[in-house]
Amino acid sequence: QLQVQESGPGLVKPSETLSLTCTVSGGSISSSSYYWGWIRQPPGKGLEWIGNIYYSGSTYYNPSLRSRVTISIDTSKDQFSLNLSSVTAADTAVYYCARGEVVWNGFDPWGQGTLVTVSS
Amino acid sequence: QSVLTQPPSASGTPGQRVTISCSGSSSNIGSNTVNWYQQLPGTAPKLLIYSNNQRPSGVPDRFSGSKSGTSASLAISGLQSEDEADYYCEAWDDSLNGPVFGGGTKLTVL
Repeated sequence: QLQVQESGPGLVKPSETLSLTCTVSGGSISSSSYYWGWIRQPPGKGLEWIGNIYYSGSTYYNPSLRSRVTISIDTSKDQFSLNLSSVTAADTAVYYCARGEVVWNGFDPWGQGTLVTVSS
Repeated sequence: QSVLTQPPSASGTPGQRVTISCSGSSSNIGSNTVNWYQQLPGTAPKLLIYSNNQRPSGVPDRFSGSKSGTSASLAISGLQSEDEADYYCEAWDDSLNGPVFGGGTKLTVL
């Protein structure tokens, strides 16, 4: 059964870059049937889509974050990564990685999430 | 401000049937299917309904979804205490070229 798992620092300073990695296990990240996505959830708030990446490296970003977001993929390691630059306290959130089908049917499965706090 | 609109809260008693609405526009719900997620306290969201009314394996048939025009709804029948959670609707948005979420509905089982 495919699983995804986030990893990365839990604390980032303001103005720095938030970097997270999602490791895929139990399946291949190179399937042409899926997108790999990042979603975040500020404490006590709702879900916000950050962006998706295809195994070929094609990326799709939320316009509200596009200027600060880079998502990349390493098919040799079955990993994809998120970089969010120039972070502020407003970027404090639980960050989730997840898989989505190209013929869109939602995100499934999700990682357990990782809390990233932006603070000096 | 979420692209899809949900009521912030809903409630019901055990055994009751409750519905949660989700309103969107022509660029999302109006032209694409709707998915629903259940987020139990302290856990990651879980796909509950996909493609408007399909249940992933393991999801009880007490949960059902429907869509009409630019709105959708999630129904939970035979409400149980373990259904107390946050529920989110989501749909692909053709203008955004990505998925959009509702603000979430907190379901309380009284």
